[in-house]
Amino acid sequence: EAQVTQNPRYLITVTGKKLTVTCSQNMNHEYMSWYRQDPGLGLRQIYYSMNVEVTDKGDVPEGYKVSRKEKRNFPLILESPSPNQTSLYFCASRVRPNSYEQYFGPGTRLTVT
Amino acid sequence: AQSVTQLGSHVSVSEGALVLLRCNYSSSVPPYLFWYVQYPNQGLQLLLKYTTGATLVKGINGFEAEFKKSETSFHLTKPSAHMSDAAEYFCAVSDPYSGGGADGLTFGKGTHLIIQP
Repeated sequence: EAQVTQNPRYLITVTGKKLTVTCSQNMNHEYMSWYRQDPGLGLRQIYYSMNVEVTDKGDVPEGYKVSRKEKRNFPLILESPSPNQTSLYFCASRVRPNSYEQYFGPGTRLTVT
Repeated sequence: AQSVTQLGSHVSVSEGALVLLRCNYSSSVPPYLFWYVQYPNQGLQLLLKYTTGATLVKGINGFEAEFKKSETSFHLTKPSAHMSDAAEYFCAVSDPYSGGGADGLTFGKGTHLIIQP
């Protein structure tokens, strides 16, 4: 089944403790991205990757890192999480950067205390 | 830069009534337009899209939307609401010439659809 998977689905952590949220897609898509969803703000893009080893900042990149060493994986790294990073995170992928159909993962709900 | 405005963060309709969710956009070029649905505790699912051609597009679950260039709108409708339609709905706009990236897809803030029995 074609899908985008994320792990973990739920995570509660403390301020300053490094964490990684994994994202994987099995559709051989070139383009992957991370969004955060906050009430009343919709989805905002954190980082995106046009292909392996090519990443760039989205609208709200502060406090996050990403890497794209393999085509299928695009982990989101929070080196020193803070409470304002408490949010619902979605990974997404599409075939090519200019493809219009985007596939979303199920989401990761992160709480930073 | 492009932007999306969804009028009403919450919309409540009775079961069987017409559903109308409003979306207006701004874009410097003819855009691609999308509606996504998010059911509780799930990711976003594409409901329908407009790229080129016919301005009235039909999607899954009986939803449809009409692209009106003169009004810069892409409102989502369904003739008869069902309890299972209760969800969060997002309108999104894409610049087809952007090549992806940070401006590839811009989302509205979402409309929570409530269905009253």
